[in-house]
Amino acid sequence: KQEVTQIPAALSVPEGENLVLNCSFTDSAIYNLQWFRQDPGKGLTSLLLIQSSQREQTSGRLNASLDKSSGRSTLYIAASQPGDSATYLCAVYSGGGADGLTFGKGTHLIIQP
Amino acid sequence: GAVVSQHPSRVICKSGTSVKIECRSLDFQATTMFWYRQFPKKSLMLMATSNEGSKATYEQGVEKDKFLINHASLTLSTLTVTSAHPEDSSFYICSARRSGYEQYFGPGTRLTVT
Repeated sequence: KQEVTQIPAALSVPEGENLVLNCSFTDSAIYNLQWFRQDPGKGLTSLLLIQSSQREQTSGRLNASLDKSSGRSTLYIAASQPGDSATYLCAVYSGGGADGLTFGKGTHLIIQP
Repeated sequence: GAVVSQHPSRVICKSGTSVKIECRSLDFQATTMFWYRQFPKKSLMLMATSNEGSKATYEQGVEKDKFLINHASLTLSTLTVTSAHPEDSSFYICSARRSGYEQYFGPGTRLTVT
């Protein structure tokens, strides 16, 4: 059964810093990995989707990498801003009998002004 | 494109009553829709997968008679929580998938059972 772990569970940094969020998964046989942002009491905003054949994806100040063989992904946020404060979720799609996404518990990020 | 809506966004109901949550794909046809549940400070957990015109597939530990899912069309899936109890209070999020593997998520429904 696929399990997704995110480290750290919470992170607080001053504005302007670059930071890295980590995600690991136990079964490397995935189709894709997705990073989401969730604001308090809200739904999910998709940030980046990395297909299993890709190594990384970039969108603005965000860069996500995928090392499928080692079961790891990182989300790099450059020049952090207070508006980046949210919970960041990592999810993998493994296909087969598990048709939905398997989510990690998230990293709660606070950017201090 | 790929917008998914949910209705209602918040609902409060009394214990023992049933409540229906709608999930709609607004600008695409969704071959598959998914229902997730999120408890406070916990991750999203998949409850069930529904394909249009067929019975939903429920994850282990999810009672299919309590959480009724209907996927009547390619743009609408409904989740009915029957005989709701306070422990069913949670944040319910749906997602929809068209071709390919990417899922598009709705804004969620906060259910509170008193």
